[in-house]
Amino acid sequence: TQLLEQSPQFLSIQEGENLTVYCNSSSVFSSLQWYRQEPGEGPVLLVTVVTGGEVKKLKRLTFQFGDARKDSSLHITAAQPGDTGLYLCATGDSWGKLQFGAGTQVVVTP
Amino acid sequence: DTAVSQTPKYLVTQMGNDKSIKCEQNLGHDTMYWYKQDSKKFLKIMFSYNNKELIINETVPNRFSPKSPDKAHLNLHINSLELGDSAVYFCASSLTPEFAGEAFFGQGTRLTVV
Repeated sequence: TQLLEQSPQFLSIQEGENLTVYCNSSSVFSSLQWYRQEPGEGPVLLVTVVTGGEVKKLKRLTFQFGDARKDSSLHITAAQPGDTGLYLCATGDSWGKLQFGAGTQVVVTP
Repeated sequence: DTAVSQTPKYLVTQMGNDKSIKCEQNLGHDTMYWYKQDSKKFLKIMFSYNNKELIINETVPNRFSPKSPDKAHLNLHINSLELGDSAVYFCASSLTPEFAGEAFFGQGTRLTVV
């Protein structure tokens, strides 16, 4: 079993639609990260959430950390083709071990 | 300026060969990592070095040997390559191990073993 469960695995939507990606666990985390990976590139950090109930916005992306710090969501408003990519949630420990979810592949078609 | 750079980007080689991947970071970070991304896009940590010292070794076969000549460089040498080693290998760095979650990744090396 994986520490971080992401859903859905794959999401295909039209430009202008909204989407939500989920990251769940039975463990409590001190922090959680979201990364985006585009084809042929390495993952790029989007955000870190730390406080239970925290909401962070990055342009059309809204990240939420659950009150119990066991889950997180990423909501994209009015998706654009440039939002296409593999979205990964991750959490690290103080020893430097970063564990990733399996990822959600998002495809936004014009 | 590329923050984390790794070479080569592509590597095609025959089973049984030995190959190396090089990584350099110019961010002044203390900690560097090797990750493996499999065909299902699952990313898993292999090794972590902090100031040239190995701090994480995630039960990787000993055919894989990382080496950190200084804290800006972390290379990965693979002996006796097997078909199952085919994957994309990513180098990454973070300020310290405590900041593992806020890592900077290289572009990856796609290794294909034939």
